[in-house]
Amino acid sequence: DTAVSQTPKYLVTQMGNDKSIKCEQNLGHDTMYWYKQDSKKFLKIMFSYNNKELIINETVPNRFSPKSPDKAHLNLHINSLELGDSAVYFCASSGPSETQYFGPGTRLLVL
Amino acid sequence: DAKTTQPPSMDCAEGRAANLPCNHSTISGNEYVYWYRQIHSQGPQYIIHGLKNNETNEMASLIITEDRKSSTLILPHATLRDTAVYYCIVRSVNTGTASKLTFGTGTRLQVTL
Repeated sequence: DTAVSQTPKYLVTQMGNDKSIKCEQNLGHDTMYWYKQDSKKFLKIMFSYNNKELIINETVPNRFSPKSPDKAHLNLHINSLELGDSAVYFCASSGPSETQYFGPGTRLLVL
Repeated sequence: DAKTTQPPSMDCAEGRAANLPCNHSTISGNEYVYWYRQIHSQGPQYIIHGLKNNETNEMASLIITEDRKSSTLILPHATLRDTAVYYCIVRSVNTGTASKLTFGTGTRLQVTL
């Protein structure tokens, strides 16, 4: 069973488009996260939701909007995609132990 | 969260123990040491964490010095599948809210035949 899953695995799109990445976890965790890994392999947090409430919002352009329809899902919507948005986006979740478990990543390429 | 320092790369022969060091001299009393690894751009994988006592699980052992200023992750019998970037992360827990993981550049471990 996949604990943290993301769709799609790969996403290739044109500049200016709007796209969404979905994340689901079946671990029963209350907290979910989005991280971005750029071309230099630096991994940085973007957002965190706890019980559908936004609790971490790093300095991220407001073109990025996370949405948590329920505790098991945290989706990431990106408006007006730019070349610099090309990266690998990882979703993660954590429970009472606060240990974070990551999904397989979504590789976004903006052309 | 305290900053960590790791060597950029290490090599290890298959079947031997891999000892990955990490310095965290500014660690505070409520901060844990976490280890994650990332295999070839897969999602980071949790390995182990500890506060002050040494810890062992099915994947690895974590040795934390008495002053807590440094630690060592030990993979007892490294295999080719252990080739990855290993991240040592210091963070506080039990703060009542979620806290982020701050990833550094990690140590690239290459396991060779």
